[in-house]
Amino acid sequence: GENVEQHPSTLSVQEGDSAVIKCTYSDSASNYFPWYKQELGKRPQLIIDIRSNVGEKKDQRIAVTLNKTAKHFSLHITETQPEDSAVYFCAASSPGGAGSYQLTFGKGTKLSVIP
Amino acid sequence: DAGVIQSPRHEVTEMGQEVTLRCKPISGHDYLFWYRQTMMRGLELLIYFNNNVPIDDSGMPEDRFSAKMPNASFSTLKIQPSEPRDSAVYFCASRAGLAGISEQYFGPGTRLTVT
Repeated sequence: GENVEQHPSTLSVQEGDSAVIKCTYSDSASNYFPWYKQELGKRPQLIIDIRSNVGEKKDQRIAVTLNKTAKHFSLHITETQPEDSAVYFCAASSPGGAGSYQLTFGKGTKLSVIP
Repeated sequence: DAGVIQSPRHEVTEMGQEVTLRCKPISGHDYLFWYRQTMMRGLELLIYFNNNVPIDDSGMPEDRFSAKMPNASFSTLKIQPSEPRDSAVYFCASRAGLAGISEQYFGPGTRLTVT
């Protein structure tokens, strides 16, 4: 099955600096890579995603890059703000049984933005 | 749409008791997932359904856990008998098919405490 590794597990940055979170995956058949943000006590929510046929995607201060050959993808947050503080999860969508697809999540990165 | 609905939001029970968690997916979504989240193990996929059929239950910890999806709008996760190590937040999530390339929406979660 798919295996997703995520680093670092914790990350502290000064407000205004950039933050980068990296993930690797193992299944070359994975075709979709979402990133979720989870604030304390709340549900994970999608912040950005990328399909396997795209190398980079940007949405305001957030960008994701994908290197299919190396099987890794990264989340970049620029000009960080205190409200970016949360746990971020990467995931990979890989084929399961009976033609289905399932998400495999990384262990998460706790991002702290220091004012 | 109201999003994915879970009940109860909080459950406190004594060891040995039966616990039933409930989920209503987003209308039209043909996938439903049950996850368990703990600090130690992160976000674990327990089981998922496609068109009400269980596809992969390899994440179910043991026979004390069971899940059903009697129709497209309702699913249950049952723990019988419950143990203190089952204490966690249980999330239900749903998404549309689209060959794995679609957003997965999480419910608000059920925080289970077994004393």
